[in-house]
Amino acid sequence: SQQGEEDPQALSIQEGENATMNCSYKTSINNLQWYRQNSGRGLVHLILIRSNEREKHSGRLRVTLDTSKKSSSLLITASRAADTASYFCATVPYSGGYQKVTFGTGTKLQVIP
Amino acid sequence: ETGVTQTPRHLVMGMTNKKSLKCEQHLGHNAMYWYKQSAKKPLELMFVYSLEERVENNSVPSRFSPECPNSSHLFLHLHTLQPEDSALYLCASSQDPEGNEQFFGPGTRLTVL
Repeated sequence: SQQGEEDPQALSIQEGENATMNCSYKTSINNLQWYRQNSGRGLVHLILIRSNEREKHSGRLRVTLDTSKKSSSLLITASRAADTASYFCATVPYSGGYQKVTFGTGTKLQVIP
Repeated sequence: ETGVTQTPRHLVMGMTNKKSLKCEQHLGHNAMYWYKQSAKKPLELMFVYSLEERVENNSVPSRFSPECPNSSHLFLHLHTLQPEDSALYLCASSQDPEGNEQFFGPGTRLTVL
């Protein structure tokens, strides 16, 4: 079974609305990251949240982490057509030395102008 | 050039061909990665190199052979591939292999006939 699973798999909203994506994971983590991928391109790192943090902001992005529920959410406020992309969470198990980063299957977001 | 570059961007090959994918990072990073991305599947980690030493081989078939001649370059040599190997192959780099932010290249879209 995979470590990170995003929900929903697909999301379609109107420009200006907020978009919320969730990620659930199974084992303990050191940090959780969110990435964006435009169609057929490489992934772009958005934000990293550590296990001792509960919330982080970056521009229009807000990420929360609930380690007791093993879940994280990514909120994009005031969405724009350019936010149309797939969004992935990635988990890192421990700190120090080589750490295998595990990606989920992603949420495909469509923002309609 | 800046960031992570990959060549070629598209590749079509027969099952008996031998080809190589190239990745170069201009970020001064010490870790480099190969990932395979297939439709409707999570991003699959294939290989990880740290300071030119392989630290991860994620049960990848021997028809994929990585090479890391220095910390800026990473190759993936392909030989007698199968049609199910058709996918987007992504290269990434990070400052270290300890699970922090990864920087991705644009990918090579591989089609095996």
